[in-house]
Amino acid sequence: QPVLTQSSSASASLGSSVKLTCTLSSGHSTYIIAWHQQQPGKAPRYLMKLEGSGSYNKGSGVPDRFSGSSSGADRYLTISNLQSEDEADYYCETWDSNTVVFGGGTKLTVL
Amino acid sequence: QVQLVESGGGMVQPGRSLRLSCAASGFTFSTYAMHWVRQAPGKGLEWVALISNDGSNKYYADSVKGRFTISRDSSKNTLYLQMNSLRGEDTAVYYCARVTSEAWLSGPFEFWGQGTMVTVSS
Repeated sequence: QPVLTQSSSASASLGSSVKLTCTLSSGHSTYIIAWHQQQPGKAPRYLMKLEGSGSYNKGSGVPDRFSGSSSGADRYLTISNLQSEDEADYYCETWDSNTVVFGGGTKLTVL
Repeated sequence: QVQLVESGGGMVQPGRSLRLSCAASGFTFSTYAMHWVRQAPGKGLEWVALISNDGSNKYYADSVKGRFTISRDSSKNTLYLQMNSLRGEDTAVYYCARVTSEAWLSGPFEFWGQGTMVTVSS
């Protein structure tokens, strides 16, 4: 089954942009993933589904500041014009027919 | 709108059992596969189990296989997780989640419940 690798932490300044990375394991570079945001003390929130082509579909109500892209086995989440409420944990998710895998999560700090 | 509301969490001693429920509304429950995902305190998300839309197919993470049972009652629009032989490492917030597409067993989790906390301790 696939493995997803994320950096444990990232930081960026208010109003700037940040690009988070999720890397698929060898042999799984074509997999579709999803990005989820988890603000402190809250349930995860679905942000988008992201394909290997770079095409993405966002969830309802997700701001335009959030976008996705892909390169090989890497899947990216870019957040532009960072706001204080973007400070959260971000998880990538992928799946096979009968199992689901999460990355370890990236803690984003907005400076 | 889609709503998933978990209940049934609490504190339980090691080796005992607990049943979680997830009440679904705002969509046709019987047409979607459903999942349980958990999160230990301060840790990341861990997939636990999935059940197909008609309940005929069930799959589990290795960490809970043989101890946990996922089920559903479409007449009540409710998903369940029966947890037996509980261990300290089962301590977590348990979320139910729905995939985006009726056609998929697995897939992106578009909707999440608010979670219910399970603490296994003597």
